[in-house]
Amino acid sequence: DAGITQSPRHKVTETGTPVTLRCHQTENHRYMYWYRQDPGHGLRLIHYSYGVKDTDKGEVSDGYSVSRSKTEDFLLTLESATSSQTSVYFCAISESNQGAYNEQFFGPGTRLTVL
Amino acid sequence: GNSVTQMEGPVTLSEEAFLTINCTYTATGYPSLFWYVQYPGEGLQLLLKATKADDKGSNKGFEATYRKETTSFHLEKGSVQVSDSAVYFCALSSGNTPLVFGKGTRLSVIA
Repeated sequence: DAGITQSPRHKVTETGTPVTLRCHQTENHRYMYWYRQDPGHGLRLIHYSYGVKDTDKGEVSDGYSVSRSKTEDFLLTLESATSSQTSVYFCAISESNQGAYNEQFFGPGTRLTVL
Repeated sequence: GNSVTQMEGPVTLSEEAFLTINCTYTATGYPSLFWYVQYPGEGLQLLLKATKADDKGSNKGFEATYRKETTSFHLEKGSVQVSDSAVYFCALSSGNTPLVFGKGTRLSVIA
């Protein structure tokens, strides 16, 4: 299994509080991704990174920010959590974004509940 | 833009039944195609992939053939087991953009 961990695995927080989720990899892969998964919507890309300090937005980036100061860590921050951000969040990594090398490996997920 | 369309679920089958989950795609260029599986409470994991037309990906008894003429990559298994109950995602990679996923199809296999 690819070495990807996410922390915390479960979190309950209140509306308006900041939340940071961490993804850590031991594979030295260049690309890292944050997704959210919600019933009826499948998997939606929030942000991704193509190198240290290099990030780009996905389809549902509003209300989220990311940072990558080291190859192995990719942080997702909800500046002021809202109930609509209650979801399961997955981190993924890939060696490349080209063709078959775009194969992504996923972490175990973080279940976030915003009350 | 690139997109993937999967059949809506849920799909419920009896053990040993034949499985087909349809997947069609729209893409520029020549995409690579993937099937991922998500077991309850876990992240997605790659099930199989195909990188060019007429390639067949296979793993754990599952197969899918890259059909360029019909822009399809249908997932099949000859005899499903209860342990195959999961959500299945079709995905494509085209150009230098992140993977594009379908919405997923939930499969339930009953004994």
